[in-house]
Amino acid sequence: DTAVSQTPKYLVTQMGNDKSIKCEQNLGHDTMYWYKQDSKKFLKIMFSYNNKELIINETVPNRFSPKSPDKAHLNLHINSLELGDSAVYFCASSYGGNEKLFFGSGTQLSVL
Amino acid sequence: GESVGLHLPTLSVQEGDNSIINCAYSNSASDYFIWYKQESGKGPQFIIDIRSNMDKRQGQRVTVLLNKTVKHLSLQIAATQPGDSAVYFCAENSGGSNYKLTFGKGTLLTVNP
Repeated sequence: DTAVSQTPKYLVTQMGNDKSIKCEQNLGHDTMYWYKQDSKKFLKIMFSYNNKELIINETVPNRFSPKSPDKAHLNLHINSLELGDSAVYFCASSYGGNEKLFFGSGTQLSVL
Repeated sequence: GESVGLHLPTLSVQEGDNSIINCAYSNSASDYFIWYKQESGKGPQFIIDIRSNMDKRQGQRVTVLLNKTVKHLSLQIAATQPGDSAVYFCAENSGGSNYKLTFGKGTLLTVNP
C-alpha cells in the first residue's frame, strides 16, 4: 500500500481554469505538507498543516487554497491557473514537527 | 561543474568508489537536518537525518557529517552503485521551525559502471 498517495499524477489544463490535487496518507501522521518543485528541481514549501490546522503558509498566492477535511487528507485547489503554476507538486506527511517527511510521487501540472 | 539545463551541481563517480556530497546550510539556529534522494519521476526519499546535538551519524552505506561551526553538512556514500544515481537534497528545519523544512539546491550524482 502506498504511504502517501496523490492524484492525479499528471494534470494538463488551460490558463484560467480551476483544478484540484488530492492527497491521502495512511501512516497515521498528524502533519501534512504541500511542496512545489520547479523546472530547476528547487523544492519549496507552500503549506503545512498539523491536526487539520494551517501552520505554515509560505506567501503563496491566495489562488492556492489547501483544505484538510481530516488528518489523513490534504487537498490543494488552485483557481485561475497561470503559466507560472506549471511545476511538480508534492504532498508529504510526518509524525509532527522536526521529523522526517514522507513524500508522495508528485503531480506534474502543465498549464498551457 | 553544473549540468546544462538543470543548473544543478553534479558529481560523477565510478561504481565502487565512495561519494561525498556537500551542503552549506543557511540558518545557524537550525537544529535538524535531513538528506533526501530523488530519482527521476519520483518523490524525494528519506536517506538519513541528524540533529544538532550530534556531529556524525551512520546508516547502511551512508554517513552524514554535521559541522555547525561552518554550517556544513555532508553525505558520504560508500561503494557507490549505479542505483545511487539520483538528485540528492539536504534540508534544514529553518532556524528551528517545527513544521518547515527548507531544501538546498540539490546535487546530481551520476554513477558510471
